[in-house]
Amino acid sequence: SAVISQKPSRDICQRGTSLTIQCQVDSQVTMMFWYRQQPGQSLTLIATANQGSEATYESGFVIDKFPISRPNLTFSTLTVSNMSPEDSSIYLCSVELGKTQYFGPGTRLLVL
Amino acid sequence: GIQVEQSPPDLILQEGANSTLRCNFSDSVNNLQWFHQNPWGQLINLFYIPSGTKQNGRLSATTVATERYSLLYISSSQTTDSGVYFCAVGTNTPLVFGKGTRLSVIA
Repeated sequence: SAVISQKPSRDICQRGTSLTIQCQVDSQVTMMFWYRQQPGQSLTLIATANQGSEATYESGFVIDKFPISRPNLTFSTLTVSNMSPEDSSIYLCSVELGKTQYFGPGTRLLVL
Repeated sequence: GIQVEQSPPDLILQEGANSTLRCNFSDSVNNLQWFHQNPWGQLINLFYIPSGTKQNGRLSATTVATERYSLLYISSSQTTDSGVYFCAVGTNTPLVFGKGTRLSVIA
């Protein structure tokens, strides 16, 4: 299994600002995934981050709004840029080990 | 893209009751997983089950890939089973999640 930590666990931010979320995994993994879960909703994939290459973004998500870094096989960051209240969500980091997907505890973001 | 439908959307059970959650998907997949999101938001992987049947304690799951559905069985439910159960599917791609079944188990 994988143990995933995220920082911060929660934050309250003002509109127009940016927040960087960190994800640390206790195993080396090829792909890391970033998901968004809006209040009361399911999970939506933002992007897939491979070490050493540009992240692959899903439809509706762009690099300027959600830049991602993947400097090594155990760490990734997601930045939520120029935030608006619509960005208020839980942001989840995830990895696949073997054929099982594991999730971090999430970052709860409230934008005022 | 693949569509994932889960039913029922909401379920209320008395402690000790049994339940069956269903996941239908629109296309062939080689990856299907069930997750439980507890009331504090943590997602726990329950099963990797692209086909066949698996059991883990009071939980079991069956996937009939040829008919594009999967079932999650919860027996002798406990209050700690409360939360949202998600089915997620994929084919050599990141998983696509259903909307979930919200389960409330009352004592």
